[in-house]
Amino acid sequence: QVQLVQSGAEVKKPGASVKVSCKTSGYSFSTYSLHWVRQAPGQGLEWMGWINTGNGNTKYSQKFQDRVTFTRDTSASTVYMEVNTLTSADTAVYYCATEGTLMIFGKWGQGTLVTVSS
Amino acid sequence: QSALTQPPSASGSPGQSVTISCTGTSSDVGGYDYVSWYQQLPGKAPKLIIYDVAKRPSGVPDRFSGSRSGNTASLTVSGLQAEDEADYYCASYTANNMRVFGGGTKLTVL
Repeated sequence: QVQLVQSGAEVKKPGASVKVSCKTSGYSFSTYSLHWVRQAPGQGLEWMGWINTGNGNTKYSQKFQDRVTFTRDTSASTVYMEVNTLTSADTAVYYCATEGTLMIFGKWGQGTLVTVSS
Repeated sequence: QSALTQPPSASGSPGQSVTISCTGTSSDVGGYDYVSWYQQLPGKAPKLIIYDVAKRPSGVPDRFSGSRSGNTASLTVSGLQAEDEADYYCASYTANNMRVFGGGTKLTVL
């Protein structure tokens, strides 16, 4: 069955970077694009962008355009999200999610808590 | 891209129906048939419950239904059950191949 397993919780200092992984299994890697969504404590879902797992093309929300990078490792069926220049406002749970047909986020990872604190 | 507008809260008694609205623009909700809804239980990842405005994935009870009028999509939960108490989010495809979520609605079963 389709599974997305994310890397573990991270604690980072302001100004640092964080890289979160999302390992996929149970399907052909290029079948679904992978989207990243974050949720600050007590807040709603925020779409960050997506990566085409077939060709590596990316699309970022304007809010994250300058600080976020999505990459993929096809041999490991894994996508990565890196966020630079972290601030306390980046403290959130970060989710990866599959999208096959438009706007069908059918499978989600378990979430990765990133805490930014001095 | 601004978030879609949802009421922060909604409530109903067991057995009643409740409708949650999701208002966008002609560049997202009103412009494409790609609106979906997600249920999020505390401490859990979101779960897809409606896609393509009004379609239900297999396994989702038919008590959940979706619709749209103009730039506003709606999720209706009929025959409310205690287990329906959760946060609900709408989401839409937008111009320029982006995506956007609503601010979320906390549904309370009284």
